[in-house]
Amino acid sequence: GAGVSQSPSNKVTEKGKDVELRCDPISGHTALYWYRQRLGQGLEFLIYFQGNSAPDKSGLPSDRFSAERTGESVSTLTIQRTQQEDSAVYLCASSLWGAGPDTQYFGPGTRLTVL
Amino acid sequence: DQQVKQNSPSLSVQEGRISILNCDYTNSMFDYFLWYKKYPAEGPTFLISISSIKDKNEDGRFTVFLNKSAKHLSLHIVPSQPGDSAVYFCAASGREAGTYKYIFGTGTRLKVLA
Repeated sequence: GAGVSQSPSNKVTEKGKDVELRCDPISGHTALYWYRQRLGQGLEFLIYFQGNSAPDKSGLPSDRFSAERTGESVSTLTIQRTQQEDSAVYLCASSLWGAGPDTQYFGPGTRLTVL
Repeated sequence: DQQVKQNSPSLSVQEGRISILNCDYTNSMFDYFLWYKKYPAEGPTFLISISSIKDKNEDGRFTVFLNKSAKHLSLHIVPSQPGDSAVYFCAASGREAGTYKYIFGTGTRLKVLA
């Protein structure tokens, strides 16, 4: 079946603009995660959805970052007033239930470049 | 404070030999551990996992070992192949404050030399 998909694959924007990143998880997966990977760094957790609710937003770096998930499927990560330090690859993952030991399946990522 | 550490940023191994990638963690609440492989411009792909009730899990050329007392896990790849060249992330997961968390290490870049 189809894996996790993300769009766009690449996004170049100017400092101060808003961007929206999209994630389509594997059908039937209850849990959805957003991560960020800066150049040369590891995976940095941003937010986790269980169904449509977000029990863990602890990784969002500032109030410029927000995310929502509708219909237990697609999720969007919005970054307002982008800054150069927001440049990174944004990865989305989904897992079957997320409430316990589970395997996350990742999308290919969106490479965001803020000029 | 890094809860999951991969202290070797890179590793080079000759084709056919064993590759050993290491990972240390600090939080005893972690009860499930995973290894992911990542090629450039792709998302990480799941490789192998181990539950804290086991000390070894094997899948073909890949074996993960868990030493709970030392809070250490390792991934063995034998024999190593050039196609194994990638960045490998370990991840530790467990329940904290009512949610199930996954913490990733910073990755080890493996290069298998032909």
